[in-house]
Amino acid sequence: LAKTTQPISMDSYEGQEVNITCSHNNIATNDYITWYQQFPSQGPRFIIQGYKTKVTNEVASLFIPADRKSSTLSLPRVSLSDTAVYYCLVGDPGGYNKLIFGAGTRLAVHP
Amino acid sequence: NAGVTQTPKFQVLKTGQSMTLQCAQDMNHNSMYWYRQDPGMGLRLIYYSASEGTTDKGEVPNGYNVSRLNKREFSLRLESAAPSQTSVYFCATDVRSDTQYFGPGTRLTVL
Repeated sequence: LAKTTQPISMDSYEGQEVNITCSHNNIATNDYITWYQQFPSQGPRFIIQGYKTKVTNEVASLFIPADRKSSTLSLPRVSLSDTAVYYCLVGDPGGYNKLIFGAGTRLAVHP
Repeated sequence: NAGVTQTPKFQVLKTGQSMTLQCAQDMNHNSMYWYRQDPGMGLRLIYYSASEGTTDKGEVPNGYNVSRLNKREFSLRLESAAPSQTSVYFCATDVRSDTQYFGPGTRLTVL
């Protein structure tokens, strides 16, 4: 099972860009990289997914280098409402029990 | 279209009592999952169901049973609750196993 490592916590200020890096040295060929966001008292919410290079949606961008051993979630111009825990997951779309949610990265956005 | 719903939202049990947590999804997905999340921790998979009529153990199945009643519903039962089962329980469903949609959670306290 691919294990991920990400910072336990990060602090930022409103309007700044935040980059959260996740390392996954043992990523397998079939694995995709998925990021979830969790607000207090809510379930995690899917925000972005990628396999290689760069993916962008209305919420975030995901940068994946050629060796795929790490990935970076980029949140442009964060606001207070982006304060949440962000989880990086690596898994095979067909592997039902292979998703592992670690402790995630607690992002605190300050005024 | 409610997505994933869970009942109850909150529950307090005494040690040894039993209860069933209910989950329903209206997304017409085949797979459903039960997770638990302890304070400050990531999610851990209890059981999952790849399709109607099938269930499989996840990372922490001891003390729990599940029933996949039909395609929409997946219930989690605690036969004899223990304080160690105090947690927040999340139900999820997915399009593919790495893209999951979570319910709002059930906060369970076992005294």
